[in-house]
Amino acid sequence: AQSVSQHNHHVILSEAASLELGCNYSYGGTVNLFWYVQYPGQHLQLLLKYFSGDPLVKGIKGFEAEFIKSKFSFNLRKPSVQWSDTAEYFCAVAPSGTYKYIFGTGTRLKVLA
Amino acid sequence: DTEVTQTPKHLVMGMTNKKSLKCEQHMGHRAMYWYKQKAKKPPELMFVYSYEKLSINESVPSRFSPECPNSSLLNLHLHALQPEDSALYLCASSQPSGLAGEQFFGPGTRLTVL
Repeated sequence: AQSVSQHNHHVILSEAASLELGCNYSYGGTVNLFWYVQYPGQHLQLLLKYFSGDPLVKGIKGFEAEFIKSKFSFNLRKPSVQWSDTAEYFCAVAPSGTYKYIFGTGTRLKVLA
Repeated sequence: DTEVTQTPKHLVMGMTNKKSLKCEQHMGHRAMYWYKQKAKKPPELMFVYSYEKLSINESVPSRFSPECPNSSLLNLHLHALQPEDSALYLCASSQPSGLAGEQFFGPGTRLTVL
């Protein structure tokens, strides 16, 4: 069965610290990859996406992610977090040719001012 | 307009009630989705409509009945729900195609079943 793992369930960082959130998936075929963010009390918003091409993708608010096909990974990074990055982050995988998004369990990030 | 709207924002219903959740988008998307999200959990796909036809039903109990009256609207009819159905119900839309495109999510309807 297809699955998405996010190993860090809770992360606490101080402002200006660097962030890396892990995402691994299990699916042998071509996939499209996404990171979504859910700020407190707000709806899910797309941070970035990967369909094909350069495996290093840049998103909004200074986030980037790297697709490593051999590791089935799509880790999210930000060099310097801000208090406003406090949110829940979801990795999502969708096999190409389907409408079926599979979400990871989410990582709750808290940034201390 | 890149917005998905959902009404109502909050809904409290008894187990014998019938109610409906509504979702609307005007982005020209022809794929629309219903998700269920429990607290501190990821969204779980319930239904997918593509070109107003039901494309995916993730074995959802029949007390949830989706409807897509036109390309902009998506409803979820609720009947005889159980307290464990209390959750945030999210609607999303995307371009349909062979590619799984970016989904745009609405703010959700927070449902409480008493």
